[in-house]
Amino acid sequence: AQTVTQSQPEMSVQEAETVTLSCTYDTSENNYYLFWYKQPPSRQMILVIRQEAYKQQNATENRFSVNFQKAAKSFSLKISDSQLGDTAMYFCAFMKGGGGADGLTFGKGTHLIIQP
Amino acid sequence: NAGVMQNPRHLVRRRGQEARLRCSPMKGHSHVYWYRQLPEEGLKFMVYLQKENIIDESGMPKERFSAEFPKEGPSILRIQQVVRGDSAAYFCASSPQWEQYFGPGTRLTVT
Repeated sequence: AQTVTQSQPEMSVQEAETVTLSCTYDTSENNYYLFWYKQPPSRQMILVIRQEAYKQQNATENRFSVNFQKAAKSFSLKISDSQLGDTAMYFCAFMKGGGGADGLTFGKGTHLIIQP
Repeated sequence: NAGVMQNPRHLVRRRGQEARLRCSPMKGHSHVYWYRQLPEEGLKFMVYLQKENIIDESGMPKERFSAEFPKEGPSILRIQQVVRGDSAAYFCASSPQWEQYFGPGTRLTVT
């Protein structure tokens, strides 16, 4: 079974700063996918960024980027130039690969607060 | 392209009643997943379905819970004889292959 650990229950930064959210996972799989989801107060789950484990290059989506360290089983999310609208719960998630889709295993989340 | 639709958004049931939660996947998506989120926790996988097939129900409680995804119509998560502990947000996600896109969720309250 896979586990996903987010060690920061809450973080708070000033607007325009850069913030990094940590995520580690444990798996015996070699083929898998990793995701970061954002859940704002509306509770809608929004896909922020995705990473295929077989790709060495770190994924980037505008102000969001990841630092994927496969050997260390680490998958941190960096948010640059943070904005008030980035305030939300952020969940790291793992999914096994291999032919078909599968259920996601989520971490407990990090509550990110962007201060004006 | 409309997103994943879930209804109702809020559902109140008394203990012992049945709850039916509906999920319409995004157009072209053939994979549907159900997750449950308890307060202050992450989402927990319940079941993964394709049209007319349950692929993985390893996260479903053994009793009172069932799910289906018929050939026509939405996917249904059914909870029979609800108890207070079933109060939670239930999310549906759909996927064309491996990326999962979530609906807005149904908040179930059992009184």
